[in-house]
Amino acid sequence: EIVLTQSPATLSLSPGERATLSCRASQSVSSYLAWYQQKPGQAPRLLIYDASNRAAGIPARFSGSGSGTDFTLTISSLEPEDFAVYYCQQRSNWPLALTFGGGTKVEIK
Amino acid sequence: EVQLVESGGGLVQPGGSLRLSCAASGFTFSSSVMTWVRQAPGKGLEWVSGLSGSIDSAFYADSVKGRFTISRDISKTTLYLQMNSLRAEDTAIYYCARWLVTAIPHWGQGTLVTVSS
Repeated sequence: EIVLTQSPATLSLSPGERATLSCRASQSVSSYLAWYQQKPGQAPRLLIYDASNRAAGIPARFSGSGSGTDFTLTISSLEPEDFAVYYCQQRSNWPLALTFGGGTKVEIK
Repeated sequence: EVQLVESGGGLVQPGGSLRLSCAASGFTFSSSVMTWVRQAPGKGLEWVSGLSGSIDSAFYADSVKGRFTISRDISKTTLYLQMNSLRAEDTAIYYCARWLVTAIPHWGQGTLVTVSS
């Protein structure tokens, strides 16, 4: 079973700053990694799929990179609405399954 | 527009059963891979179960295998999750979602299941 480890657990930043979130897989997941944003009381929203592709309607300040076991989500300049919890997720082929990381909370400093 | 609307959550005693429903619209339900993801209060996301398109093969997390059953009714475009032998640790918001290849672009609003005596 592949384990996803996200770091840091909490990131304290100010609006306008750059946010760099990490997701590390216990074994290679190729480029099959996605990132989600979740705000309190809301369902998760897909930001990035296949490591670096922005989902529909996602602003260009969000970018993803990486392959194999190490992945990064970058928010180039934090907007007030970006303070939220972010999760990474990978898909296993057999048996078919999804795994989520533990999450990184981006909070206002 | 893709819409996923869950229902059926509520309070149930340990050992009890509950069936969640998810009404789907705005996409080809019959051939889509559908999934359930849950989130315990104050915790992260946990994948629960998936149902592949066309051949309807079902997959489960180890934590629910043998207790939960995922299914769909194509005529009603509705996804189900039958949950038996419920435990306190099954308490969570359950999200219905549409799984596209490697990620989940469409989520319902969630339904809360509370297992408590």
